[in-house]
Amino acid sequence: QSALTQPASVSGSPGQWITISCTGTSSDVGAYNYVSWFQQHPGKAPKLMIYEVSNRPSGVSDRFSGSKSGNTASLAISGLQPEDEADYYCSSYTHRSINTVIFGGGTKVTVL
Amino acid sequence: EVQLVESGGGLVHPGGSLRLSCAASGLTFSNYWMHWVRQVPGMGLVWVSRIRGDGADSNYADSVKGRFTISRDNAKNTMYLQMNSLRPEDTAVYYCARDVVLGSGSLDGWGQGTLVTVSS
Repeated sequence: QSALTQPASVSGSPGQWITISCTGTSSDVGAYNYVSWFQQHPGKAPKLMIYEVSNRPSGVSDRFSGSKSGNTASLAISGLQPEDEADYYCSSYTHRSINTVIFGGGTKVTVL
Repeated sequence: EVQLVESGGGLVHPGGSLRLSCAASGLTFSNYWMHWVRQVPGMGLVWVSRIRGDGADSNYADSVKGRFTISRDNAKNTMYLQMNSLRPEDTAVYYCARDVVLGSGSLDGWGQGTLVTVSS
């Protein structure tokens, strides 16, 4: 099954606000409020940043926020910091195939 | 603190088998759906499989259905992935992860990964 669609790269200067989009279909992002966002630094395991569209796990900075409109979810990072440079992946619960999870292709965030 | 440790990766020939393990600590293991996710180095994350806390329900990606089997032993706080009929395209780092919202893919807590290489 095809991955959720994310931009390959997004960049911004320190202190700026950026957003990453994640486009799915009415079988996944549009159907469920089970969209998650993960941050992955090189050589490290992914880290959950947002779950259920807009919830932040304990310990995640409130500079990270999530939202959804129709079949597209978004991750926003405000006050961009050098340590935010990483790959970001979205995921969604889906019924494209029976009861599974689907990831986006990933977005490389570069802090200029 | 939740800790997940994968093991069992290695080099295997095409058509061969391998069993991965994921040992969990710092959580009531049986309360959680658990997942396997894989990643070809330099590429994106791909969901592989999930299993319910009691082990009574599981699902697979189409690419591994019929070849991989997920299981768990809650007495040992360990999850497994039996991989048969391995193909070169199964080469990846395999991560286990805990789901904090009813198997939905809200994966909070990941292992460090174990590398599986399928090559002749």
